[in-house]
Amino acid sequence: AQSVTQLDSQVPVFEEAPVELRCNYSSSVSVYLFWYVQYPNQGLQLLLKYLSGSTLVKGINGFEAEFNKSQTSFHLRKPSVHISDTAEYFCAVSSNEKLTFGTGTRLTIIP
Amino acid sequence: EAGVVQSPRYKIIEKKQPVAFWCNPISGHNTLYWYRQNLGQGPELLIRYENEEAVDDSQLPKDRFSAERLKGVDSTLKIQPAELGDSAVYLCASSLNYIQYFGAGTRLSVL
Repeated sequence: AQSVTQLDSQVPVFEEAPVELRCNYSSSVSVYLFWYVQYPNQGLQLLLKYLSGSTLVKGINGFEAEFNKSQTSFHLRKPSVHISDTAEYFCAVSSNEKLTFGTGTRLTIIP
Repeated sequence: EAGVVQSPRYKIIEKKQPVAFWCNPISGHNTLYWYRQNLGQGPELLIRYENEEAVDDSQLPKDRFSAERLKGVDSTLKIQPAELGDSAVYLCASSLNYIQYFGAGTRLSVL
């Protein structure tokens, strides 16, 4: 079985400040890792993914994440956030074609 | 290239009524998924298709939910009869090379 923990349900951040959204996972097998973003009343959009190779992965909208196998983490970061980054962010782990999501982190940008 | 298309976007029904959701995956994607997303939660898998075969329906409440994927392309998810607890967003996704792409979802309200 696999699971994903997003410890922070809500994260308020001032505009142009850096942000880190935390994600930890557990799995007994090798996994692929993803971050998705969901804007209000929309589906999930892929931000970035880790399948193999470099542990630092870059995605869309200036986001990046680092895969840490020893700490079973895949934290999402952005050096400077914008109002348009206000959304729900979901971390997900995949093995054997099964995608398991965390409960999400609501990122609120304060002007 | 068109993304995953779902219809309708919104549906309001009374309890005990039937309801159906439709999904058209991205062309060439053989794998199709149906998820349910409750308010404030991440999506949870209901069923996964490989072409027209349902390969994982372990989380589908089979007493009232059914799904089909004729000719391995479009898919329909049905609930009959609907219950108050079925109110949620129903998401369809299709995948290629381990990456899942989501539609905008159908928001179901059962009154």
